[in-house]
Amino acid sequence: DADVTQTPRNRITKTGKRIMLECSQTKGHDRMYWYRQDPGLGLRLIYYSFDVKDINKGEISDGYSVSRQAQAKFSLSLESAIPNQTALYFCATSQEGKSYNEQFFGPGTRLTVL
Amino acid sequence: GNSVTQMEGPVTLSEEAFLTINCTYTATGYPSLFWYVQYPGEGLQLLLKATKADDKGSNKGFEATYRKETTSFHLEKGSVQVSDSAVYFCALSVRDNFNKFYFGSGTKLNVKP
Repeated sequence: DADVTQTPRNRITKTGKRIMLECSQTKGHDRMYWYRQDPGLGLRLIYYSFDVKDINKGEISDGYSVSRQAQAKFSLSLESAIPNQTALYFCATSQEGKSYNEQFFGPGTRLTVL
Repeated sequence: GNSVTQMEGPVTLSEEAFLTINCTYTATGYPSLFWYVQYPGEGLQLLLKATKADDKGSNKGFEATYRKETTSFHLEKGSVQVSDSAVYFCALSVRDNFNKFYFGSGTKLNVKP
């Protein structure tokens, strides 16, 4: 079983729609992250969370919001999707003090906004 | 600031060829360095890491040495296989108040039979 799961794996939506991407982990890690991947740009951090009560903006948080519903769950929302949010989205986890903070990634969600 | 620069791809090699993917970094603190690999349709997986100068990370025949003097962490493999075709990301993590990861833009490797 995968340690970090993301749902859905693929989503096509229209401009203006509200979209939620979900991430769950069974690793017991306290830190969770959302990234987007665009061709030639690598991964850019959207939001990150140290624990359930801690949410922080990353470098490209505009147009996104997040919710840490539990230690194991971290969801990303696009309140009103726009075409330039078409990208591959990854959730990741890490644990402070272990493995030099190696991050463990989910399989990704491919989002297309028409 | 903190950043990672890696060579642009795609890199196309024949099977059994020697691979080098260059990676250089800038960091405000003392970073840990990583190589992640992304196979088609999958998420990123840690390939190898090094946490201090002169450390060599290795895994699956890949190697990279943490060179503080040249701020580099180049990825090498002596004989690539078709199954190594993937996108490779260099990354660093700095131990400050938040161990944020900084990723390079990725290098796509295509290995032909």
